[in-house]
Amino acid sequence: DTEVTQTPKHLVMGMTNKKSLKCEQHMGHRAMYWYKQKAKKPPELMFVYSYEKLSINESVPSRFSPECPNSSLLNLHLHALQPEDSALYLCASSQARTSGDGYTFGSGTRLTVV
Amino acid sequence: GESVGLHLPTLSVQEGDNSIINCAYSNSASDYFIWYKQESGKGPQFIIDIRSNMDKRQGQRVTVLLNKTVKHLSLQIAATQPGDSAVYFCAEYLNTGKLIFGQGTTLQVKP
Repeated sequence: DTEVTQTPKHLVMGMTNKKSLKCEQHMGHRAMYWYKQKAKKPPELMFVYSYEKLSINESVPSRFSPECPNSSLLNLHLHALQPEDSALYLCASSQARTSGDGYTFGSGTRLTVV
Repeated sequence: GESVGLHLPTLSVQEGDNSIINCAYSNSASDYFIWYKQESGKGPQFIIDIRSNMDKRQGQRVTVLLNKTVKHLSLQIAATQPGDSAVYFCAEYLNTGKLIFGQGTTLQVKP
């Protein structure tokens, strides 16, 4: 298995809702990442997990809360989002944080906040 | 500051021609660079990578060139096909785990 799987593919949520994005990989990668991509822009890093511990938070607002329950799973919990948070949310993984080998992206979750 | 940029936002080529997509970077600390292809509605797809101890690396129909002196990367696609139409990003890998992406070049292949 050489894929990063993200669910759901599309999500529409209200500003008072709580939802979660899920990411899964079975490549044995020990680093996992969340990126945000706005239309016609490059992806921007949000969080880095290494060996299931948060190692980088790129000053992301607290309404985004990441979680890494085990080495194969990465979640992003969403609460009280704003319309400007609408974007494509990408999960990625690599063999290790320090090497970057096998840096693979999922297909993303298209999030719309209404 | 850190930045990885592409020279042209859009590149239009005839089917069968070779394509060259350029990228300039400014962070001297990185030793690993990756090219990604992103089709509409999909995540970035790995194309090819290169480490700083190499000048050139070839894959199937693709070649990446790295010029560390002028901090320049290029992606060459041979015999461009309609399926190559997409946005292409160069990305610089930092050993914190962070990828810094360039702004992207949209490749349009004319039949």
